[in-house]
Amino acid sequence: QKEVEQNSGPLSVPEGAIASLNCTYSDRGSQSFFWYRQYSGKSPELIMFIYSNGDKEDGRFTAQLNKASQYVSLLIRDSQPSDSATYLCAVTSHGSSNTGKLIFGQGTTLQVKP
Amino acid sequence: DGGITQSPKYLFRKEGQNVTLSCEQNLNHDAMYWYRQDPGQGLRLIYYSQIVNDFQKGDIAEGYSVSREKKESFPLTVTSAQKNPTAFYLCASSFSGVEPYGYTFGSGTRLTVV
Repeated sequence: QKEVEQNSGPLSVPEGAIASLNCTYSDRGSQSFFWYRQYSGKSPELIMFIYSNGDKEDGRFTAQLNKASQYVSLLIRDSQPSDSATYLCAVTSHGSSNTGKLIFGQGTTLQVKP
Repeated sequence: DGGITQSPKYLFRKEGQNVTLSCEQNLNHDAMYWYRQDPGQGLRLIYYSQIVNDFQKGDIAEGYSVSREKKESFPLTVTSAQKNPTAFYLCASSFSGVEPYGYTFGSGTRLTVV
């Protein structure tokens, strides 16, 4: 079983719509959750992080965390063609070494159509 | 400006050759990481280091070696033992501790076997 799971997509939404990206994780000890955006051929860039249950908003982006369900999501409001990218979910790993290093999902490709 | 620099951007390796990828950061981060990304796939951890002169194997360390002689530098050597080295290599760094702040990634090195 994968530790961090994402639907690879592609997820296609029209311009101006809400894009909803989902991620589940298996380690109940995980404390911190991150969303990265990766454009084709480029390196990932951090766009959101969340530590507490509930919602966290930053501009057009909202991260949602439900630790009981081991589920984290990213909503993108008013989607733009420039949002077209792969979105990586990352979760802290608190295995035997307690390093806090991140475990990444495979990413969801988002396509925003004009 | 603080950041993390990878070089070269593109690298070509002949069969049987060892090559070294450079990663330097001036963010005063404690931890550094090397990931490999293959087309359409997520990030796979090769090696990581949380402190100078210490490093740990990740999920796919075979055929790779690293050193951490300075806090700022974490070079990766791809040895001839790595049979399929063609991939996009990403270096990342972060503060380490109970509440990680996410990774900062370099711009990546694209390695091709010729």
